Amino acid sequence: AQKITQTQPGMFVQEKEAVTLDCTYDTSDQSYGLFWYKQPSSGEMIFLIYQGSYDEQNATEGRYSLNFQKARKSANLVISASQLGDSAMYFCAMRELTLGTASKLTFGTGTRLQVTL
Amino acid sequence: DGGITQSPKYLFRKEGQNVTLSCEQNLNHDAMYWYRQDPGQGLRLIYYSQIVNDFQKGDIAEGYSVSREKKESFPLTVTSAQKNPTAFYLCASSMDRGSQPQHFGDGTRLSIL
Repeated sequence: AQKITQTQPGMFVQEKEAVTLDCTYDTSDQSYGLFWYKQPSSGEMIFLIYQGSYDEQNATEGRYSLNFQKARKSANLVISASQLGDSAMYFCAMRELTLGTASKLTFGTGTRLQVTL
Repeated sequence: DGGITQSPKYLFRKEGQNVTLSCEQNLNHDAMYWYRQDPGQGLRLIYYSQIVNDFQKGDIAEGYSVSREKKESFPLTVTSAQKNPTAFYLCASSMDRGSQPQHFGDGTRLSIL
């Protein structure tokens, strides 16, 4: 069974600073995908970034980057130059990519990020 | 604009009552999903459907039912058998290829009267 662990219930970061949100995962599959989502207080889930298990380079999307360390089974999200609008819950999620399996996502419990002035 | 529409935004259920949450998407996605979110927890999968007229139970399907008669629509019924229905419900859809992200609606908040 797949499992996602986010050990930081809450984080604070000062505006314009970088912050790293931790995510470790457990799976016996060789082929899988890792996703990060942002959930503002309004409730919608916003997709941020994706990393495939066979991708050789770390994924980047604007101010978001994923520090993928396959041997350690970690997929930490790095947000650079934090903005007040980054204050939200952040969820790490994983999906099997094996052909024929259902495309289900397994979510972690989330990290609440608060950006301060 | 393409997207996922969930309605209503807020819903109240009386004891012993079934209620249905609506989810419609115009993204032409094959797969649709229902998740439940409780305070301080991540999302847990209730049901999912990869194709019209077919759906599978997720991790917490007891007390819920779904149908998938049209590609665009995936309604969720919270039955009276679900003894603790108060939660935030999120619907999602995706192309059924593993690297494609799931896109989410804005959610329905269900409470017991």
